[in-house]
Amino acid sequence: EPEVTQTPSHQVTQMGQEVILRCVPISNHLYFYWYRQILGQKVEFLVSFYNNEISEKSEIFDDQFSVERPDGSNFTLKIRSTKLEDSAMYFCASSPPTLGSYEQYFGPGTRLTVT
Amino acid sequence: GESVGLHLPTLSVQEGDNSIINCAYSNSASDYFIWYKQESGKGPQFIIDIRSNMDKRQGQRVTVLLNKTVKHLSLQIAATQPGDSAVYFCAERGNQGGKLIFGQGTELSVKP
Repeated sequence: EPEVTQTPSHQVTQMGQEVILRCVPISNHLYFYWYRQILGQKVEFLVSFYNNEISEKSEIFDDQFSVERPDGSNFTLKIRSTKLEDSAMYFCASSPPTLGSYEQYFGPGTRLTVT
Repeated sequence: GESVGLHLPTLSVQEGDNSIINCAYSNSASDYFIWYKQESGKGPQFIIDIRSNMDKRQGQRVTVLLNKTVKHLSLQIAATQPGDSAVYFCAERGNQGGKLIFGQGTELSVKP
């Protein structure tokens, strides 16, 4: 069964450093998302991406964040200058192009630890 | 405003019993709801979904009920098994853009 994959599984970085989190969505999906989950809290929407552009972003997704689909398979989230409060699990998700299908398939997540 | 919340943070049931996990939502215009299961260290896993034009949907051992009058969603798990132990999140589709708005989560613990 196809699945969303994410790398790395765990990233440790120092405050102020740039990080890139990588995702490979399911191959025929066209809608891509990033969410984050601070330890013990609910999953929060960051950004949605369709047709090579951002569809929607949350207040969390400020100028320090960016997303890119550099090729036909990868979808990345970049944090330019990490802060301590960026420490969280980051989940990538994708949705199929099927009309009216809203189910989002999540990857296993990348645990980001900012020290 | 947009918010989805859960009534109980934890639920403990005996193996074989039925489990009911509840969720309240605030956006009466939401047209799609989904339940996810999250095991420790893993991403959310789809369980079942329901559209606002339905009030009940059944899957394998799971049933979702939607009461639009009181903006309430529930997940029923029949014959709960130890493998069902996880955190369960309800989520609603926020708008046409497709973002999901998650609730706080209920931790289900199944006692053997």
